Amino acid sequence: GPKVLQIPSHQIIDMGQMVTLNCDPVSNHLYFYWYKQILGQQMEFLVNFYNGKVMEKSKLFKDQFSVERPDGSYFTLKIQPTALEDSAVYFCASSPGGLNTEVFFGKGTRLTVV
Amino acid sequence: GDSVTQTEGQVTVSESKSLIINCTYSATSIGYPNLFWYVRYPGEGLQLLLKVITAGQKGSSRGFEATYNKEATSFHLQKASVQESDSAVYYCALSDRWNQGKLIFGQGTKLSIKP
Repeated sequence: GPKVLQIPSHQIIDMGQMVTLNCDPVSNHLYFYWYKQILGQQMEFLVNFYNGKVMEKSKLFKDQFSVERPDGSYFTLKIQPTALEDSAVYFCASSPGGLNTEVFFGKGTRLTVV
Repeated sequence: GDSVTQTEGQVTVSESKSLIINCTYSATSIGYPNLFWYVRYPGEGLQLLLKVITAGQKGSSRGFEATYNKEATSFHLQKASVQESDSAVYYCALSDRWNQGKLIFGQGTKLSIKP
């Protein structure tokens, strides 16, 4: 089936540094999402993105977070600066849009802030 | 607020036995949610197992079934006879029907199958 690819699968970063998580969504999908899962907790919605704009963000989407998809390439989540509490698995997802369409998830990037 | 609860973090079932994984939800701001079961097999990404958008209806896939019970606010996942290949983590979720990519997930239930 369609695949969402996330690169890398694991990233370790020093607190205060910038990190960019990359996602290659399913081609021809129009809606893009990031979710965050802290170890032992539920997966939680961060943000959705459509037509070059953030459509909705949750309270977990701090000011230090930003998303973009320049020129239809990777959909990225940037955290600048990182904090210890940003350590989590981040899942990218995409969907074609419209009613009753399926959302496809990547395998996640485990971010460890030290 | 809106939430999904899965009471069992881990379930172990013997092969060929029946399975039920409990899921209840609260949808206070979403009047009429869509309900989903997602599954993550070892080493794989999260994938949709089944979804139901109408109360009273049953969804089914790969031998699994779940019925949208609006009165009980439940969406339990059942299978009559599990196989070793069903070992995975199962997530119950809900969304607004107009914003289906914004999913609210349960904690997940890890299913282990005893041979």
